[in-house]
Amino acid sequence: DVVLTQSPLSLPVTLGQPASISCRSSQSLVYSDGNTYLNWFQQRPGQSPRRLIYNVFNRDSGVPDRFSGSVSGTDFTLKISRVEAEDVGVYYCMQHTYWPGTFGQGTKVEIK
Amino acid sequence: DVQLVQSGGTLVQPGGSLRLSCAVSGFTFSKYWMGWVRQAPGRGLEWVAHINQDGSDIYYMDAVKGRFTISRNNARNLLYLQMNSLRAEDTAVYYCIGDGGAWWGQGTLVTVSS
Repeated sequence: DVVLTQSPLSLPVTLGQPASISCRSSQSLVYSDGNTYLNWFQQRPGQSPRRLIYNVFNRDSGVPDRFSGSVSGTDFTLKISRVEAEDVGVYYCMQHTYWPGTFGQGTKVEIK
Repeated sequence: DVQLVQSGGTLVQPGGSLRLSCAVSGFTFSKYWMGWVRQAPGRGLEWVAHINQDGSDIYYMDAVKGRFTISRNNARNLLYLQMNSLRAEDTAVYYCIGDGGAWWGQGTLVTVSS
């Protein structure tokens, strides 16, 4: 199975400051159709996960543009340009290029 | 609007059985793979099972193989997870998901305890 390793696992941030979460894959996630099926999710306390980013770069409808995704080889990054109070929660990367789909361990974002 | 409405979670004794359901609306169910993801208390997300559009391709995580069965009814827009021989370690919130995690159910708690 593909292993996704997130870092850091805990991320205290100051309101209005940027934040960055890394997700490293154990192998290339480029599928034969040319797409890379790496998504990012936000899970607020007591809620179901919500997809923020799909296929590395694409923001889902209604997701603020302060969230962005990027990639360098097998290293994926989720960036929040200016953290707001509503961004508190746990963030997960997930790949479904290969079955089974796999999740990273999660990164807990909290306000300092 | 897309909706995934789950039902079936409850307290069950070890060795017991339970069937979870996920009723889907707002998209063409038969065109998308669907799956179940679980989250044990205080833990991360874990891929349990998934099924392709016509049910011909199914995956189970090792810990549930031979005990859980995923199925779907495309005519009724329903996804199921039949869980047998339940163990304490199956205790978790179970989510139905679709299309790469674009859609999630509200989650249903399954507690396995005597």
